[in-house]
Amino acid sequence: EVQLVGSGGGLVKPGGSLRLSCAASGFIFNKAWMSWVRQAPGKGLEWVGHIKTKSDGATTDYVAPVKGRFTISRDDSRNTLFLQMNSLKTEDTAVYYCTTVLRLVQAFDFWGQGTIVTVSS
Amino acid sequence: QSVLTQPPSVSAASGQKVTISCSGSNSNIGNNYVSWYQQLPGTAPKLLIYDNTKRPSGIPDRFSGSKSGTSATLGISGLQTGDEADYYCAAWDSSLSIVVFGGGTKLTVL
Repeated sequence: EVQLVGSGGGLVKPGGSLRLSCAASGFIFNKAWMSWVRQAPGKGLEWVGHIKTKSDGATTDYVAPVKGRFTISRDDSRNTLFLQMNSLKTEDTAVYYCTTVLRLVQAFDFWGQGTIVTVSS
Repeated sequence: QSVLTQPPSVSAASGQKVTISCSGSNSNIGNNYVSWYQQLPGTAPKLLIYDNTKRPSGIPDRFSGSKSGTSATLGISGLQTGDEADYYCAAWDSSLSIVVFGGGTKLTVL
């Protein structure tokens, strides 16, 4: 059974940093593209970015509002995905979901339970 | 303002069929695959349809997807009260090099 368990969320002041983790199990992690999707309170879904496998260059892509501030990384030895968030803004307040990616069709087939990030002074 | 356009809400009676539209452009729906997600209240989204028309294992055939040009449609037949949820479409956008989502559609089963 695929499991994605997120952690690391919390309350942080504007300008601060936070690192989210997503522990994966039930599939071959080093063969999976992974993604982060967020949802602001009462709003729709927004793709944050993804990371490809090492064999695909472990390259990353990000949505414009987070470029230069957020970094997605992976530790295949620990089956863990990370989202480093720096220079946080109030508009980054959201539930952050980690997902697996069906790479050929860019669909998100499994989702974590979500991690709450609140940016407020 | 979402890149993909969905109606904010739809409703239909229990047992009936409803369709949810998703409109985009050549840079996303027109030349890439569409997926659909169901988000029940207070839960994480779940994949319903991928590759425009395919259903993951475990998704009943009451859910169907189609695509024509720069628009896609999710169909739900035999509506049940448990289908009340928010539904989102998504696609890769080749011009923006990002995944774009629709704004979401809230389904009410009367």
